[in-house]
Amino acid sequence: DGGITQSPKYLFRKEGQNVTLSCEQNLNHDAMYWYRQDPGQGLRLIYYSQIVNDFQKGDIAEGYSVSREKKESFPLTVTSAQKNPTAFYLCASGTGVRKLFFGSGTQLSVL
Amino acid sequence: SQKIEQNSEALNIQEGKTATLTCNYTNYSPAYLQWYRQDPGRGPVFLLLIRENEKEKRKERLKVTFDTTLKQSLFHITASQPADSATYLCALDIPRGSQGNLIFGKGTKLSVKP
Repeated sequence: DGGITQSPKYLFRKEGQNVTLSCEQNLNHDAMYWYRQDPGQGLRLIYYSQIVNDFQKGDIAEGYSVSREKKESFPLTVTSAQKNPTAFYLCASGTGVRKLFFGSGTQLSVL
Repeated sequence: SQKIEQNSEALNIQEGKTATLTCNYTNYSPAYLQWYRQDPGRGPVFLLLIRENEKEKRKERLKVTFDTTLKQSLFHITASQPADSATYLCALDIPRGSQGNLIFGKGTKLSVKP
């Protein structure tokens, strides 16, 4: 069953803590993306990767880090430097920017 | 910088009517414009893509138009049903990196009443 899987569904972060959001795809897509969605806002691009071992900053990369060691995986770390991390995080993959496939999202909240 | 606007935050219509959602953009014209559906607490799902040289595209009860002169796309759902209630996002590609990136509008929340 092909698709893109995000985990966990809900995540809570304590002050000063780094947390990692998982994103795995078995669609054999080269490109993967992380977006952040706040209530009433459009999706904003955090990081993207178009090939293994390479990634680029999006519009709001500060306070976030990523890695792309495998084609299937693109984890996102929300670091303690991100002062307003509460949001809905969406991972997507595609063969380009046409027709992105999204995961079901991770809701991150601050304790 | 490129901006994308979806005129209505919310649209309420009666079942059976046609819903029309608007997406406007500024600056240069994208090569592609896409529409996605998002249900609460879920990721967006791709619906339709229209190219700059296409005026109209249809898929079942869905129709998308693309007017590069007006810098506008219209998204129509005919014979709307309560199950069509969701937030609809338009997205367009911008040149960044070798394959570009998508930017998204804030979405229009459609409610179809029985």
